[in-house]
Amino acid sequence: DVKVTQSSRYLVKRTGEKVFLECVQDMDHENMFWYRQDPGLGLRLIYFSYDVKMKEKGDIPEGYSVSREKKERFSLILESASTNQTSMYLCATADRGRQPQHFGDGTRLSIL
Amino acid sequence: GNSVTQMEGPVTLSEEAFLTINCTYTATGYPSLFWYVQYPGEGLQLLLKATKADDKGSNKGFEATYRKETTSFHLEKGSVQVSDSAVYFCALSDSGNQFYFGTGTSLTVIP
Repeated sequence: DVKVTQSSRYLVKRTGEKVFLECVQDMDHENMFWYRQDPGLGLRLIYFSYDVKMKEKGDIPEGYSVSREKKERFSLILESASTNQTSMYLCATADRGRQPQHFGDGTRLSIL
Repeated sequence: GNSVTQMEGPVTLSEEAFLTINCTYTATGYPSLFWYVQYPGEGLQLLLKATKADDKGSNKGFEATYRKETTSFHLEKGSVQVSDSAVYFCALSDSGNQFYFGTGTSLTVIP
């Protein structure tokens, strides 16, 4: 069965910390995505990557960066965490196009 | 611009009731339309999709028909079960391959 694994289900960090969220897929998909999910706002695209070392900004990239050194791994980085980045973060993959097909279970991140 | 609007929740139904979750869209060109489902504590799963007008997507007893004349893609199920309790997201992918999610509709089915 296909698998998208996010490194943590729950994470608590402090304001100003550098935070890493990791996502690993075993499907050999080219495209990987990071979304954040907030009540009343649905899912918003932060960044996506269509190949190793390639990335594109989504709708809300401010305060975030990403890294894709290997095809199976896509990392989201909060350079200096702030309380307004408290959210649920979802990683997704797609074998073509930008239609996300497989999601991880999410990381619920709290910034104190 | 492109967007998806879905009905506000939460929706609460009794088991075996009929379900409709409304979804309308605004898009240029000919988008593809999707419904995703998110069960408690999990990520999203693709439930069904339709890629052109009048197509009907179906899966697990859920159906949705792509209606270009009303720009709608309403999700329906004839008889819901407790296990259908989840959040449902409507989404579209436009001809430029951009992808847009609705805000989600929470469904609770009570025995």
